[in-house]
Amino acid sequence: AAGVIQSPRHLIKEKRETATLKCYPIPRHDTVYWYQQGPGQDPQFLISFYEKMQSDKGSIPDRFSAQQFSDYHSELNMSSLELGDSALYFCASSLGSGSSYNSPLHFGNGTRLTVT
Amino acid sequence: DQQVKQNSPSLSVQEGRISILNCDYTNSMFDYFLWYKKYPAEGPTFLISISSIKDKNEDGRFTVFLNKSAKHLSLHIVPSQPGDSAVYFCAASKLHDYKLSFGAGTTVTVRA
Repeated sequence: AAGVIQSPRHLIKEKRETATLKCYPIPRHDTVYWYQQGPGQDPQFLISFYEKMQSDKGSIPDRFSAQQFSDYHSELNMSSLELGDSALYFCASSLGSGSSYNSPLHFGNGTRLTVT
Repeated sequence: DQQVKQNSPSLSVQEGRISILNCDYTNSMFDYFLWYKKYPAEGPTFLISISSIKDKNEDGRFTVFLNKSAKHLSLHIVPSQPGDSAVYFCAASKLHDYKLSFGAGTTVTVRA
């Protein structure tokens, strides 16, 4: 079965540069979530979109922005990168508004961002 | 503030035996709980979930138990297999919420 696709898998950027991470949800899923997992930490919720509208916001820095497009894919844009932004960035998708017993979040394999 | 806690960072179990992973939560508003398994270099894979109206949910070798009064849930894996060696995350949310709160994870090692 098709899973959540994230690209790129690995990304190396320098401080103050920008980065764009892409996420393609499972077909028919209309909700996308972004999580950040720092070294040795649990995944932290950044932001989510339902039907192309932002549905919730977590601990996402102002330097980051995201959107969901008409085909339901999502992009996370990160500007003025800092060393502390180095982390695994996971995208997840589900069907319907928010977490549901019938449609749990399914995660992609993540993008590993390294800021040097 | 860690709302979901997995107090055992690691667990080692013999192949064929039962693995029991524990998870505690502090937010009484949580009513939906999930377990994810994660291999290195991969994203979390959904295993099993339970809503607060139930106290047990079973799927093959995996059973999740929920004790709402104690704000505690556990995952039982029976029998444990070498392929079960991974990091297991407990997660919780309010139903139809967009934010999952994760525990810190428990690394399970299944010994042959």
